[in-house]
Amino acid sequence: DTGVSQDPRHKITKRGQNVTFRCDPISEHNRLYWYRQTLGQGPEFLTYFQNEAQLEKSRLLSDRFSAERPKGSFSTLEIQRTEQGDSAMYLCASSLASGGSYEQYFGPGTRLTVT
Amino acid sequence: AQKVTQAQTEISVVEKEDVTLDCVYETRDTTYYLFWYKQPPSGELVFLIRRNSFDEQNEISGRYSWNFQKSTSSFNFTITASQVVDSAVYFCALSPTSGTYKYIFGTGTRLKVLA
Repeated sequence: DTGVSQDPRHKITKRGQNVTFRCDPISEHNRLYWYRQTLGQGPEFLTYFQNEAQLEKSRLLSDRFSAERPKGSFSTLEIQRTEQGDSAMYLCASSLASGGSYEQYFGPGTRLTVT
Repeated sequence: AQKVTQAQTEISVVEKEDVTLDCVYETRDTTYYLFWYKQPPSGELVFLIRRNSFDEQNEISGRYSWNFQKSTSSFNFTITASQVVDSAVYFCALSPTSGTYKYIFGTGTRLKVLA
């Protein structure tokens, strides 16, 4: 049983560039989450998908951020015109949220550094 | 508003000592889930336990035990006979029992177990 995978693991980019991250959830999980974690803090919720529908977005997700989950499988998170404040670890998680299983399983994260 | 407080920023213990990590939460929901996750240096969040708000039974799993007290809104985590491999950042999280099930995380407690 493979876990949640994320690609790339590390990304260094210059301010103003666009970046895209990918998340592959556990195959039978219909719920997918993106979180952002900065140094010394707990992860903060960014957005949530149930199957292919994006059902909630945090106010942390500015207009420069967009997320998709075509066909309810993998998901992408794009950041346009990156800023130094976007430097963080971006975590993806998936869950089933049924049958007594409500915990989220996290991927290894993508660490973004904006120079 | 929902909030999770982990007042202990960092704890250092010597191997084989017992250690308790505190978690206090705030929520207006009558039902909710509480979780503990471990984040080792590799960065991936590892699920440890989920607790339903209506189940106040304490739980033990090997060297790990959890004490849930609804009256004081606390969900504390104890490691008995700590080992160097327990060194990590530990996060407590809260989620609703419907809707998105998104997590509200605390700021984490860094545990250092010294040999």
